[in-house]
Amino acid sequence: SQQGEEDPQALSIQEGENATMNCSYKTSINNLQWYRQNSGRGLVHLILIRSNEREKHSGRLRVTLDTSKKSSSLLITASRAADTASYFCARVTGGFKTIFGAGTRLFVKA
Amino acid sequence: GAGVSQSPSNKVTEKGKDVELRCDPISGHTALYWYRQSLGQGLEFLIYFQGNSAPDKSGLPSDRFSAERTGGSVSTLTIQRTQQEDSAVYLCASSTELAGDNEQFFGPGTRLTVL
Repeated sequence: SQQGEEDPQALSIQEGENATMNCSYKTSINNLQWYRQNSGRGLVHLILIRSNEREKHSGRLRVTLDTSKKSSSLLITASRAADTASYFCARVTGGFKTIFGAGTRLFVKA
Repeated sequence: GAGVSQSPSNKVTEKGKDVELRCDPISGHTALYWYRQSLGQGLEFLIYFQGNSAPDKSGLPSDRFSAERTGGSVSTLTIQRTQQEDSAVYLCASSTELAGDNEQFFGPGTRLTVL
């Protein structure tokens, strides 16, 4: 399979709580990106972290990357009902080829 | 338009027929990608084009699938002799030429149903 491993597959939390999603991969990467997909807005880019970076922030999002463990995590703080969506990590392995994970389905209860 | 557009938005076809799916990338984006997403699954890479370089076709699942990009802009994904397992949403994305910083902008997709 092209897809990496993401966990959990599904996550249900209360509004205001934090949500953490993890992504693991097997091959070396140039960068790793996180995308969100919901029925209203389709697939949208959230954040990109390069292979020489360890942590990046964007608003309520925090992404970490551990290349020694070949893993990344996405933290959404103070979640909102509007954060309900599927979240995918995408690994750029060389040039432009991009491999997406299977995704985590996040449900935020109001 | 400002974003990536795809047509048709929905396509229902009979097994064995050929279909063509179209993608109009963001103006000025030199990289264009095709993905396939089955219900409840992640995205499966199919092919990408970058400028005048030979496309990376390593994700195409069989020789029934082909894609071309004319004039460095519009792309067409063709599926010949469609099978039921080809039913999925086909997504197109485009990005700038900067490898390593290639945030991809996605179109709304074409939902293909093969009866």
